[in-house]
Amino acid sequence: SQTIHQWPATLVQPVGSPLSLECTVEGTSNPNLYWYRQAAGRGLQLLFYSVGIGQISSEVPQNLSASRPQDRQFILSSKKLLLSDSGFYLCAWSARRPYGREKLFFGSGTQLSVL
Amino acid sequence: TQLLEQSPQFLSIQEGENLTVYCNSSSVFSSLQWYRQEPGEGPVLLVTVVTGGEVKKLKRLTFQFGDARKDSSLHITAAQPGDTGLYLCAGGSQGNLIFGKGTKLSVKP
Repeated sequence: SQTIHQWPATLVQPVGSPLSLECTVEGTSNPNLYWYRQAAGRGLQLLFYSVGIGQISSEVPQNLSASRPQDRQFILSSKKLLLSDSGFYLCAWSARRPYGREKLFFGSGTQLSVL
Repeated sequence: TQLLEQSPQFLSIQEGENLTVYCNSSSVFSSLQWYRQEPGEGPVLLVTVVTGGEVKKLKRLTFQFGDARKDSSLHITAAQPGDTGLYLCAGGSQGNLIFGKGTKLSVKP
């Protein structure tokens, strides 16, 4: 069966510090991978998605970046965190389906607090 | 811009009551999904509906996709405390999935 691992679960970082969140998927090959941010009262916001190694699409301009160095590894990074980067970050995967028919499987999330 | 509006935003009920939450849009979606999210966890997919007018049942949960594929509802019969959580709808179109802001449900024993 497929599993998705996301870490750390909780992170407190000072403004201006770097960020690296990691997500790995097991039990499947060639998945679509996603990074979402969930802020209170604002719903799930898609940040990045990837259909393959080295292929990253950004949905929202920001000071965050994503990389996919391996088929089942997705990393969210920042060189300098802002206060507004605080939120609940979720990694997700889906099998290859036509756009709009993806079924997303989410990790357990990382609660990031930037102080 | 495609938007999904969910209502109500918050709902607090007693165990055993029935409830319906709604997901509405002015846009047509090729599919609509419902997820449930517990605090500190990622959302978990409950169901996907793809055909206008489709009704799917999952134990005490009934999901309906509107005939015009612009809206959906989730009805829970005899709610239990274990149903507590954030219910999110997500619409699929030519782009990626678009999520509503969710309905936060609290079922009190």
